[in-house]
Amino acid sequence: AQTVTQSQPEMSVQEAETVTLSCTYDTSESDYYLFWYKQPPSRQMILVIRQEAYKQQNATENRFSVNFQKAAKSFSLKISDSQLGDAAMYFCAYRSNFGNEKLTFGTGTRLTIIP
Amino acid sequence: DGGITQSPKYLFRKEGQNVTLSCEQNLNHDAMYWYRQDPGQGLRLIYYSQIVNDFQKGDIAEGYSVSREKKESFPLTVTSAQKNPTAFYLCASSLLGGGYTFGSGTRLTVV
Repeated sequence: AQTVTQSQPEMSVQEAETVTLSCTYDTSESDYYLFWYKQPPSRQMILVIRQEAYKQQNATENRFSVNFQKAAKSFSLKISDSQLGDAAMYFCAYRSNFGNEKLTFGTGTRLTIIP
Repeated sequence: DGGITQSPKYLFRKEGQNVTLSCEQNLNHDAMYWYRQDPGQGLRLIYYSQIVNDFQKGDIAEGYSVSREKKESFPLTVTSAQKNPTAFYLCASSLLGGGYTFGSGTRLTVV
């Protein structure tokens, strides 16, 4: 079974600075997807960024980018120019590209933005 | 607008009572999922369904039941066999091979 580990329960960053959230995963598969989701206080889950394992290029969405290291099974999220609205729980998630479509989540990192 | 609707937003259950959480989507998504969220534990999969009239247990299915009689609907029943039901429940849907859309959640509390 796949597992996803987020080793940082809490992180904080000064507004306008850069922060990196860590995620590692364990799988024996070669084709899969990785995601970062944001959950603000409203508790609505919002997709931040998605990475396909067969693509070597790291995904980028505006201020959000990932560092995908397939051999190391690492998938970190970098948030540049942090804004107050970035404060939220961030979840890393894994989805196989074989068989079922279920997402496996990490335990989350709570990000605080310091004004 | 297409989306996924969970109701109610807050639900209170007495000891020994069954309760049903509603999840409806109008996105024409094939697959639907129920997750439970507890502090410090992330989201854990309860049940999922990839096609009408078929569903599979997730990682923590004990004490829960589901049905998938219509493509649009995937209700979750929390039975009296679930000994610790107080949690936040999230429903999601997806096209096969596509991204997830989440509902806004139901907060269930045992009183």
